[in-house]
Amino acid sequence: QVQLVESGGGVVLPGRSLRLSCTASGFTFSSYDIHWVRQAPGKGLEWVGVIWYDGSQKYYTDSVKGRFTISRDNSKDTLYLQINSLRAEDTAVYYCARDYPTARAKDYWGQGTLVTVSS
Amino acid sequence: QSALTQPASVSGSPGQSITISCSGTSSDVGGYNYVSWYQQHPGKAPKLMIYEVSNRPSGVPDRFSGSKSGNTASLTISGLQPEDEADYYCSSQRGSSTLYVFGTGTKVSVL
Repeated sequence: QVQLVESGGGVVLPGRSLRLSCTASGFTFSSYDIHWVRQAPGKGLEWVGVIWYDGSQKYYTDSVKGRFTISRDNSKDTLYLQINSLRAEDTAVYYCARDYPTARAKDYWGQGTLVTVSS
Repeated sequence: QSALTQPASVSGSPGQSITISCSGTSSDVGGYNYVSWYQQHPGKAPKLMIYEVSNRPSGVPDRFSGSKSGNTASLTISGLQPEDEADYYCSSQRGSSTLYVFGTGTKVSVL
């Protein structure tokens, strides 16, 4: 069955960096675009960015451009989110989600990993 | 990059029908047939319920239906069940540097 498992979250000091991972199984990872979506505590969902199946294109929401970088290693079935210069407002659960081809939707989601930015 | 607008809460009794609206602009909801809806129970990951405005993924009960008129999309739950109590989010492709946008979210309560 399709599975996405995020890892790498934790408590981080403001200004530091963090790399999240999303490991996929149960499908051909290299054939799918993958999204990052975050949810601040008690708040709604926010689309963060997407990387194409082959890593050739990456798109980000305006508020994270220049600080967040999405990458992938198709040989390891793994997606990454590098977050630099962490701010308090980056505190959230970060989900990876598989793109539903041609439908511009997200059909499978991981369980999320919590990032807390606090001094 | 404002979120799509949804009512904060909607409630209904078991067996009733409810509708959740999702208001956007011609740059998102009105401009694309790529509206999707997600259900999220507390502490859980979102689940895709509707894609491309009105299509249901395999396994989603047919009491969930979607539609769109102009810049507003809607999710209707017919024959409301206790397990439908959850948060619901719409999402749309957006014609800007931010490719996708979610709605503000609606808490559905089953009385």
